[in-house]
Amino acid sequence: GAGVSQSPSNKVTEKGKDVELRCDPISGHTALYWYRQSLGQGLEFLIYFQGNSAPDKSGLPSDRFSAERTGGSVSTLTIQRTQQEDSAVYLCASSSGIGSYEQYFGPGTRLTVT
Amino acid sequence: RKEVEQDPGPFNVPEGATVAFNCTYSNSASQSFFWYRQDCRKEPKLLMSVYSSGNEDGRFTAQLNRASQYISLLIRDSKLSDSATYLCVPLWTGTASKLTFGTGTRLQVTL
Repeated sequence: GAGVSQSPSNKVTEKGKDVELRCDPISGHTALYWYRQSLGQGLEFLIYFQGNSAPDKSGLPSDRFSAERTGGSVSTLTIQRTQQEDSAVYLCASSSGIGSYEQYFGPGTRLTVT
Repeated sequence: RKEVEQDPGPFNVPEGATVAFNCTYSNSASQSFFWYRQDCRKEPKLLMSVYSSGNEDGRFTAQLNRASQYISLLIRDSKLSDSATYLCVPLWTGTASKLTFGTGTRLQVTL
């Protein structure tokens, strides 16, 4: 079946602009995660959605970052007033839900802030 | 102590060799483990899940040593296509929402 998809695959934006990144999880997966990975670094957790529960936002680095998940499926990560340090690959993962912890990743969005 | 520690490598091995990586973890309550592989500029892909003392899948074997708090990944008969970074990811259900990914161990298989 179809895996996790993300769009756009690449995004170049000017410092100060807002960007929206989209994630479409595997059909039927109730858990959705956002991570970011800077060059040569490990994955940094950002936010986690599980079903209709309140999201775990503990990894968001600042209030310029927010995410939504509409209808329990597609998620959008929004970064406002982008800064150069926001440049990274933003990865989305999904898992089938409570009791299953194996996460499957999308191809990521490479964000470059100039 | 870091939650997950792995030798960053690179481990350079010839094709056909056997290579093993260790991963140490700090939380003794870790219940399960995952090994992911990540190719350069690609997303991590799940390689193996370990829910008990170990797991084996073809050329890949994972073994868990709870007493010493480490998990190993053994790759037999290395292929060029095994060249990647291998990420050890412990899970404890108290923080299931936040799997902790380290920077992994880089493997380079050569002719």
